[in-house]
Amino acid sequence: GNSVTQMEGPVTLSEEAFLTINCTYTATGYPSLFWYVQYPGEGLQLLLKATKADDKGSNKGFEATYRKETTSFHLEKGSVQVSDSAVYFCALSDDNAGNMLTFGGGTRLMVKP
Amino acid sequence: DAGITQSPRHKVTETGTPVTLRCHQTENHRYMYWYRQDPGHGLRLIHYSYGVKDTDKGEVSDGYSVSRSKTEDFLLTLESATSSQTSVYFCAIRGLGGSGNTIYFGEGSWLTVV
Repeated sequence: GNSVTQMEGPVTLSEEAFLTINCTYTATGYPSLFWYVQYPGEGLQLLLKATKADDKGSNKGFEATYRKETTSFHLEKGSVQVSDSAVYFCALSDDNAGNMLTFGGGTRLMVKP
Repeated sequence: DAGITQSPRHKVTETGTPVTLRCHQTENHRYMYWYRQDPGHGLRLIHYSYGVKDTDKGEVSDGYSVSRSKTEDFLLTLESATSSQTSVYFCAIRGLGGSGNTIYFGEGSWLTVV
């Protein structure tokens, strides 16, 4: 079956630091990959996505590249802000299964001023 | 904004009582989903629907039932709530057109079973 593994948190950074949150996956087919962000007390918001190998998703300064050879979709940002503090979820969607999402366990990011 | 409204947003209930959560959408989405979120587990699929009266089980469906009598509403029912069902419940829809492989989430319903 499909699975997603992401680094455990919390990740604590100072403002303007470089961010990497690792995500690897296993899938039987050719999934689409997603990063969602959840701010305290809120639902999940789509941050970025990539639908095929070598695609790069980007949004709000965050980037992630779909690496089929390493089955990875690591999230990066060059300079984090306090407002980026949230929980980040990596997920995959399998077209063969009704596009249901399989999630990683989430990584909490805390950015200090 | 995917036009998803969940109700109630917060509820405290007693063990053994029935509970129904409602998800309402306004954009004629065919696919709707119910997930639960628990620490360390990310989000796990409970049930989903692919049309009116068409539903199927997800990964953690035991103790839950769903109904979809019209396109815009997808109901999740806990027939007899247990403490293990204390969680945050998210409704989601599958995007339309070019966003058809993207899932969008509601704001969540916090349920506490005491």
